[in-house]
Amino acid sequence: EVQLVESGGTLVQPGGSLRLSCVVSGFSFTTYWMHWVRQVPGKGLVWVSRIDNHGSGTTYADSVKGRFTISRDIAKNTVYLQMNSLRVEDTAVYFCVREVSALAGTGFDYWGQGTLVTVSS
Amino acid sequence: SYDLTQPPSVSVSPGQTTTITCSGDNLGNKYICWYQQKAGQSPVVVMFQDSKRPSGISERFSGFNSGITATLTISGTQTSDEADYYCQAWDSGTVIFGGGTKLTVL
Repeated sequence: EVQLVESGGTLVQPGGSLRLSCVVSGFSFTTYWMHWVRQVPGKGLVWVSRIDNHGSGTTYADSVKGRFTISRDIAKNTVYLQMNSLRVEDTAVYFCVREVSALAGTGFDYWGQGTLVTVSS
Repeated sequence: SYDLTQPPSVSVSPGQTTTITCSGDNLGNKYICWYQQKAGQSPVVVMFQDSKRPSGISERFSGFNSGITATLTISGTQTSDEADYYCQAWDSGTVIFGGGTKLTVL
């Protein structure tokens, strides 16, 4: 069974840092690109970042570029999102997401349950 | 930046056909995926590559991309289809989601 389990969300002050983790199981971790998508409660989905299957290629949304870093530890089957210089507007539920394949347009087939990050003083 | 535009809400009666649209520039050069998100749950993909249904998704769901507008159609809409629906595309190596459409079945 494919599982993506996020953790690390908590209350943090503006300007602070936080690292989210996503432990995956049930599939070959090195086969898939992985993403982080966030959602303010009651609002829409917003893509944050992606990392390729080997961890050598990363992309970020403009809103987090230079502040967030995505990485993966193949030995631990874990994807991370290091979030620095956090802002109130980063408050959201963060989902870890698996992309189906490298073929164009295949979408995201598995989503974690999400972890809530609250940035507030 | 690239935008995908969806109507904020759609309401239908049970048994009717639901049509949710997604518009953006140059849609003919992009694949569109659709996600269903029920209250308190994580999203589920219901359509990929414009018109392909993942296994386990009801045949009542269908998709089409005309190049100008992408459409998700739900035939024989059921109360269990009530959810938020999001279209999604790739643009310049980044992922874009539409703003979402709340489907109410009443």
